[in-house]
Amino acid sequence: QQQVKQSPQSLIVQKGGISIINCAYENTAFDYFPWYQQFPGKGPALLIAIRPDVSEKKEGRFTISFNKSAKQFSLHIMDSQPGDSATYFCAANIQGAQKLVFGQGTRLTINP
Amino acid sequence: NAGVTQTPKFQVLKTGQSMTLQCAQDMNHEYMSWYRQDPGMGLRLIHYSVGAGITDQGEVPNGYNVSRSTTEDFPLRLLSAAPSQTSVYFCASSLRGLTGELFFGEGSRLTVL
Repeated sequence: QQQVKQSPQSLIVQKGGISIINCAYENTAFDYFPWYQQFPGKGPALLIAIRPDVSEKKEGRFTISFNKSAKQFSLHIMDSQPGDSATYFCAANIQGAQKLVFGQGTRLTINP
Repeated sequence: NAGVTQTPKFQVLKTGQSMTLQCAQDMNHEYMSWYRQDPGMGLRLIHYSVGAGITDQGEVPNGYNVSRSTTEDFPLRLLSAAPSQTSVYFCASSLRGLTGELFFGEGSRLTVL
């Protein structure tokens, strides 16, 4: 199964709050898990990525938490800002393949 | 560097017409790919290429053709457009395949009537 399931579909957070987006997968052959950020009218851009040999990766206000046994990973945005309002996609790549599978996307709105 | 350039940005077709979406990158990336984005379905891989002369199918290849005669260009051809192909199409490239960063173009919005 090559699916990545992402939730929630949409999320509204107050400025300064924590935004949390979750993804789950079935295929244990996935070996690379990036998150992409997309603003309206633009293409997605890489935000942060993790490999399954670490449980957490932090870059500034953005953190990926990875739970290999549960086959789940999540994006946390600390101190969320209106400029973070965008659509976020999780993704996963099968080891040895060249096919990045994307989640359905989460539209995040940060209210000022 | 211009990055990944897609043309046209907008296109309206009638059912049965054919067209080519152009994609060019100036970063000397070996890996290039085409995705389509539909509401609630994320991005789905159509075709990809790991180098000039090499292409392969992704998740949703039916109705689309690709070729890769140069490192820079990776056009996507719609042979006989159908309303189900109404979508936003993204071209993306990467230096080191999918374990590296994918750079996306700004998209081509296609409507098939």
